[in-house]
Amino acid sequence: DIQLTQSPSFLSASVGDRVTITCRASQGIYSYLAWYQQKPGEAPKLLIQLASTLQGGVPSRFSGSGSGTEFTLTISSLQPEDFATYYCQQFNSYPLTFGQGTRLEIK
Amino acid sequence: QITLKESGPTLVKPTQTLTLTCTFSGFSLSTSGLGVGWIRQPPGKALEWLAVIYWNDDKYYSPSLNNRLTIAKDTSKNQVILTMTNMDPVDTGTYYCAHRPQVGAGHAFDIWGQGTMVTVSS
Repeated sequence: DIQLTQSPSFLSASVGDRVTITCRASQGIYSYLAWYQQKPGEAPKLLIQLASTLQGGVPSRFSGSGSGTEFTLTISSLQPEDFATYYCQQFNSYPLTFGQGTRLEIK
Repeated sequence: QITLKESGPTLVKPTQTLTLTCTFSGFSLSTSGLGVGWIRQPPGKALEWLAVIYWNDDKYYSPSLNNRLTIAKDTSKNQVILTMTNMDPVDTGTYYCAHRPQVGAGHAFDIWGQGTMVTVSS
């Protein structure tokens, strides 16, 4: 199985900050990585797939990059609605594993 | 517009079999490339992928649960059914079904159901 390790697990930031979340894969997965946002009591929402392709309707302050084993999700200027938990998921091979999540909270 | 909705029991006893149904609209699982997956989330914990089924009836399972899971589709009813045997309290959590628009590795689960909470307790 491909393990995905997200860092940090917890992040405290302020509105307007630029934040970066990292997802590291235990083996190369090309660009076959997605990022989801999950708010309390809600289903996950797809933000980015193929490492850097923004889903329709997702604000341009979100961006993704990386390939192989290291990936990043960047929010260029945090908005109040961005405080949530973020997960990465790989689609290179089965099982389709998730990272453990990064909880982003307001400082 | 694509929608998915999970249904099933909210409470099951240990050792029982759980059967969950994902009823969807806005697409047909007879369309080439499409898939529907199941993902679960214990309270306060991370997402865990369980299984996926595709238009051609190909199925894939989480190896950690492989011998307990069965996924099937009923194309005529626009449903995907997940069964999980020998339920245990550690299986308590929210179970989601999600749409996968293409089987290729570049495609994620783009539309999710609202989830259904399942509690395993005697």
